Amino acid sequence: QVQLQESGPGLVKPSETLSLTCTVSGYSISNGYYWGWIRQPPGKGLEWIGNIYHSGSTYYNPSLKSRVTLSVDTSKNQFSLKLSSVTAADAAVYYCARPNYGSGTNWFDPWGQGTLVTVSS
Amino acid sequence: SSELTQDPAVSVALGQTVRITCQGDSLRTYYASWYQQKPGQAPVLVIYGKNNRPSGIPDRFSGSSSGNTASLTITGAQAEDEADYYCNSRDSSGNHWVFGGGTKLTVL
Repeated sequence: QVQLQESGPGLVKPSETLSLTCTVSGYSISNGYYWGWIRQPPGKGLEWIGNIYHSGSTYYNPSLKSRVTLSVDTSKNQFSLKLSSVTAADAAVYYCARPNYGSGTNWFDPWGQGTLVTVSS
Repeated sequence: SSELTQDPAVSVALGQTVRITCQGDSLRTYYASWYQQKPGQAPVLVIYGKNNRPSGIPDRFSGSSSGNTASLTITGAQAEDEADYYCNSRDSSGNHWVFGGGTKLTVL
């Protein structure tokens, strides 16, 4: 079955760029599907960050759009998140997941286990 | 509107039925999906579409929708159902996804 695994630094300094990668196993990204990122600050709810299609087209949360870049590396079967100019408010568990679209519906499944990113100098 | 609104907390007696709701304008167009999240774990999809359960999700979980409100119903709640539940849909543009604020379910 499809499995996703996040990786990247667990500590990022304020004003720097957060970079995370999601490695997909059990499915070739180049075959299709969108791929997405969601985050969850400690003790708070889920926030959608953005989705990227295997061809590279993207949709971003309007509240983060100016700072977010998603990319896909089909050769490595990975997709990545970059969030620039981070502040303490960006500290969160970051999840990668696969967005699915149906007629009049959408859902995320499967999910990665999540990775905690702390913002501190 | 791109917002989805959930009650922050709901409680249910063991074995009873509980309904968790999610309100938003986009739900007039799109069905919600629902996720269960236990402490320290990633969210797990429990309902998607009109009323579809992924493999492995007990049939006590069901979904419904009316107007701008989507509902997740647990019929015969079990102790292991105690968790946070989130709804998810798209906004009116269809391009942006949005989550509800989450509902903490306590099983008494």
